[in-house]
Amino acid sequence: GENVEQHPSTLSVQEGDSAVIKCTYSDSASNYFPWYKQELGKRPQLIIDIRSNVGEKKDQRIAVTLNKTAKHFSLHITETQPEDSAVYFCAAGKGWGSQGNLIFGKGTKLSVKP
Amino acid sequence: GAVVSQHPSWVICKSGTSVKIECRSLDFQATTMFWYRQFPKQSLMLMATSNEGSKATYEQGVEKDKFLINHASLTLSTLTVTSAHPEDSSFYICSARDRRGRSTDTQYFGPGTRLTVL
Repeated sequence: GENVEQHPSTLSVQEGDSAVIKCTYSDSASNYFPWYKQELGKRPQLIIDIRSNVGEKKDQRIAVTLNKTAKHFSLHITETQPEDSAVYFCAAGKGWGSQGNLIFGKGTKLSVKP
Repeated sequence: GAVVSQHPSWVICKSGTSVKIECRSLDFQATTMFWYRQFPKQSLMLMATSNEGSKATYEQGVEKDKFLINHASLTLSTLTVTSAHPEDSSFYICSARDRRGRSTDTQYFGPGTRLTVL
C-alpha cells in the first residue's frame, strides 16, 4: 500500500521568511496530492492540492510542486506570518475513479516567530 | 459550501459502553465518507472508508466488529465504538468526499469528536 513520508517534523522560521515542507510517496499510481493545515484542536483544512498532470500550482503565498519521477512533492509558503503557525499534513491518493482514500504524512509543526 | 459536521464534539463514557458518532455533510451529497483516528500530536490514521448503501471497507488492523460504520444516506455516516475501553480514547474525525463534479477528489473534514473512556 501507499506510504507517505514527511519532513521535517518541526520547522521554525522567522516572520517573513519562506518555509518548505517535503513529502515522498511510494505508490506510483497515486495521482492526487492535497495539503492540509490543522490548528490546535481544530479540523484539518485543505489549503492546496495538486494532481499528477501538473508539476506546480500556486495560490497567493502558497505553492506546491510535484516531481512524479522522483515521487516527491513539496509545499512552499512565502512571506510567512504568525497565523501560518499550525501543523501541516501532506497526503497522497488515487483520486477520481477510486475510493479516494488518502494516506497522510506524519505532519510538520510550523512555528512562525514574530 | 462543503461543510461537514460531527456530533457530539466530545463524549466521556464508562468502559464497556457503546458510543455513536455522527458525521453529516450539510450542503452536499457525499458518496464516500472516511473515518480517521488521531492521537495527540500525531497524524490522521485512516480507519475505514464508508460508501452509501454498502459495507464499509476497513483498514488493516481496525476491528470491524468494534468500530461499526453505517452510511445510511448520502449525507450521514455513523461510527459506533462498541464496548469502549480506555485505549479507545482518541480524537475521531470524519471526512466526506463531494460527489459533484468540481473536485471529486477533495475531502472535507468534520470538526472531530474527542472520546474519553473512563
